[in-house]
Amino acid sequence: EAGVAQSPRYKIIEKRQSVAFWCNPISGHATLYWYQQILGQGPKLLIQFQNNGVVDDSQLPKDRFSAERLKGVDSTLKIQPAKLEDSAVYLCASSLRSPRDTQYFGPGTRLTVL
Amino acid sequence: AQTVTQSQPEMSVQEAETVTLSCTYDTSESDYYLFWYKQPPSRQMILVIRQEAYKQQNATENRFSVNFQKAAKSFSLKISDSQLGDAAMYFCALFKAAGNKLTFGGGTRVLVKP
Repeated sequence: EAGVAQSPRYKIIEKRQSVAFWCNPISGHATLYWYQQILGQGPKLLIQFQNNGVVDDSQLPKDRFSAERLKGVDSTLKIQPAKLEDSAVYLCASSLRSPRDTQYFGPGTRLTVL
Repeated sequence: AQTVTQSQPEMSVQEAETVTLSCTYDTSESDYYLFWYKQPPSRQMILVIRQEAYKQQNATENRFSVNFQKAAKSFSLKISDSQLGDAAMYFCALFKAAGNKLTFGGGTRVLVKP
């Protein structure tokens, strides 16, 4: 069974530029999550989708971050414009039905904002 | 106040020896789950072990076992017969049904000496 796929693995941009990350969850998984992991810290949930609907985006900085999961499968996370403090690893995860189920993570995208 | 606390930033263990990682958490709910995830330098979070709060029996997974002390709100991870491949960051995480999301601790780095 294929795991959670993410691309790109690395991205370097200058502040005020835009960037987008892509995630394809495990086949059949209804719930998809985006986490931000700043160096030396644990992951922090940014947004959670149940199929193509947003369940929790309370920690998403909506003035610059946006995310969508149009067909209830893959998802994109966008940052526009980027700030220096957005430098982090962005992890995508999926679970079968709900957050009660075990979450499986992708390899992450390391973003560096210069 | 931290919901999930890992008090040991780094632990060192000799190959083939045993190391125990501590984790304490804060919840007043009865419906919750606890997890240990491993994050090697490749960045991918890998599930090590999962414990349902309603289960009294401590979860085990090969060389990994937990000591779940519900009253003390403690969830420690024991790695037996440590191997070089066990070197990684280890994160404790709490899922609370009411919050419907996973909250991570700050992590403990495990170093394995040959």
